[in-house]
Amino acid sequence: DGGITQSPKYLFRKEGQNVTLSCEQNLNHDAMYWYRQDPGQGLRLIYYSQIVNDFQKGDIAEGYSVSREKKESFPLTVTSAQKNPTAFYLCASSTFRQGRAYNEQFFGPGTRLTVL
Amino acid sequence: GEDVEQSLFLSVREGDSSVINCTYTDSSSTYLYWYKQEPGAGLQLLTYIFSNMDMKQDQRLTVLLNKKDKHLSLRIADTQTGDSAIYFCAESPLGGATNKLIFGTGTLLAVQP
Repeated sequence: DGGITQSPKYLFRKEGQNVTLSCEQNLNHDAMYWYRQDPGQGLRLIYYSQIVNDFQKGDIAEGYSVSREKKESFPLTVTSAQKNPTAFYLCASSTFRQGRAYNEQFFGPGTRLTVL
Repeated sequence: GEDVEQSLFLSVREGDSSVINCTYTDSSSTYLYWYKQEPGAGLQLLTYIFSNMDMKQDQRLTVLLNKKDKHLSLRIADTQTGDSAIYFCAESPLGGATNKLIFGTGTLLAVQP
């Protein structure tokens, strides 16, 4: 079955610790995205990657870091510099063609991060 | 600018129609999307509409697009309790080199039995 997976589903972290959220896809998609979801604020883009070994900051990148060493994987690290990290984190992927307007994104099930 | 707005909450009775509204500001958007998010889960694409269309119907779902007013709506006929979820509209601005989607704030639909 093709799809996109995230792990773990729930994650607890102490203040001051870095934590890495996993995102894997076997859809052969070039582009991958990380979003943060807070109640009443919709989805906000953290980072995105259009191709392996390349990624760009989204709207709220401060306190986060990513890597894209493999096409299938796009892990997100929440660092201790992120002031309010408790949220629901969603990973997505899509095909990518420069200038192509249609962009259906496929989402993983999400990781709920709680800072204690 | 890029800003997509939705009302936060809608409550309907089972069997009634639901109408979820969305306004967007980027007139270059070629495609507009509706996604559904069930509790504690990721988003799933429900339907989309191309900007040269006024309406698209898919079984119980009807999408209306008023491009002049930059207004998009999703009508769900014969709403069921299984339709309870958060609904997001999203736009895909033309020529965006990133192919990013801009999501609305989401509308929580509560279906009362």
